[in-house]
Amino acid sequence: LAKTTQPISMDSYEGQEVNITCSHNNIATNDYITWYQQFPSQGPRFIIQGYKTKVTNEVASLFIPADRKSSTLSLPRVSLSDTAVYYCLVGEGGNTGFQKLVFGTGTRLLVSP
Amino acid sequence: DSGVTQTPKHLITATGQRVTLRCSPRSGDLSVYWYQQSLDQGLQFLIQYYNGEERAKGNILERFSAQQFPDLHSELNLSSLELGDSALYFCASRRGMGTGDTGELFFGEGSRLTVL
Repeated sequence: LAKTTQPISMDSYEGQEVNITCSHNNIATNDYITWYQQFPSQGPRFIIQGYKTKVTNEVASLFIPADRKSSTLSLPRVSLSDTAVYYCLVGEGGNTGFQKLVFGTGTRLLVSP
Repeated sequence: DSGVTQTPKHLITATGQRVTLRCSPRSGDLSVYWYQQSLDQGLQFLIQYYNGEERAKGNILERFSAQQFPDLHSELNLSSLELGDSALYFCASRRGMGTGDTGELFFGEGSRLTVL
């Protein structure tokens, strides 16, 4: 299983762009990279998933370099409501994949006014 | 609303007791995952089921067991409870394999267990 490493915490201000990087040095060929957001006392919520290069949706972008040993979640113009814990997951996809999805320690993002 | 239902939402019990947590996955989802989250800790993967069969096991204690029934709901049984078992227990589901499966997990709101 690919182990992930993220910063424990990050601080930002409203309106700024936030980039959270996750290291996954032993990522395997079939592994996908997924990011989740979790608010206190709630279950995590899917943000974005990618395999390589760049993926963008309505809430975030995910940048994955060619070697795939790291990934960066980019949150444009954060607001107070983006204060949460962000988890990076690496899990094998494909027809028999996404088993044993292990969450790392996560990054606690605090957005201030 | 993720579509995943967990009951009970809150449970208070004493050490040594046994409890059962229940999870109903989203309609059509074949795979169920259980996670434990202690206070201010990350999510610990416990176990995964797919269409009634155990598929992956994490750091699940021998005092804990789980199963997935033919109607696809799942139960997590916790026995000989200790103070350290107090935590939020999350269930998540995903479509499963093949068409329509993006690997995205849909989490329930959790069952908060307090062991006194």
